[in-house]
Amino acid sequence: EIVLTQSPGTLSLSPGERATLSCRASQSVSSSFLAWYQQKPGQAPRLLMYGASSRATGIPDRFSGSGSGTDFTLTISRLEPEDFAVYYCQQYGSSPRTFGQGTKVEIK
Amino acid sequence: QVQLVQSGAEVKKPGSSVKVSCKASGGTFSSYAISWVRQAPGQRLEWMGGIIPIFGAPNYVQKFQGRVTITADVSTSTAYMELSSLRSDDTAVYYCARDSTLVGIFDYWGQGTLVTVSS
Repeated sequence: EIVLTQSPGTLSLSPGERATLSCRASQSVSSSFLAWYQQKPGQAPRLLMYGASSRATGIPDRFSGSGSGTDFTLTISRLEPEDFAVYYCQQYGSSPRTFGQGTKVEIK
Repeated sequence: QVQLVQSGAEVKKPGSSVKVSCKASGGTFSSYAISWVRQAPGQRLEWMGGIIPIFGAPNYVQKFQGRVTITADVSTSTAYMELSSLRSDDTAVYYCARDSTLVGIFDYWGQGTLVTVSS
């Protein structure tokens, strides 16, 4: 099973700042089959990115993803108030599908 | 507009079973996969398994083999997840999630069902 480790655990930033979130895999994620989700309190996760760098439908272009192999990054270029949430990476290159433990982006 | 609507919260005794439903609207139910993902308090999301309704054969994570049953009723566009031999550490929010790509990308999610296991 591929274990995903996200860092940092918490990111304290102000609106307008840039957020850089990391996801490291215990082994290579085939074909960059990595997704990112956003989750707000009391809500279900929402798909942001797939294929490491493709935005899901309706996701603004301030969100971008990059990486391959074992190291992946989600970048939010300028944080909007609605972006403060928990972010999870997920690999779907092998079974079982697994998720990272999450990075919380909080208002500084 | 795609929607997945799950059944309501449940409180169960240890050793019992729970069955959660997930009714889909919008899209073609039989042609995409439905997975079940749970989130225990303070824990990461955990994929339990899934099913492609048109094929009917479910796929389970080994950890849950023998305790989980995932089914789908194409006539009502509803998927079900039944978990048996419940323990306190099964207390979690259970989500159904649609995978329209059939490769494991969860593009729509249900609202979640809280299952509490307590004596």
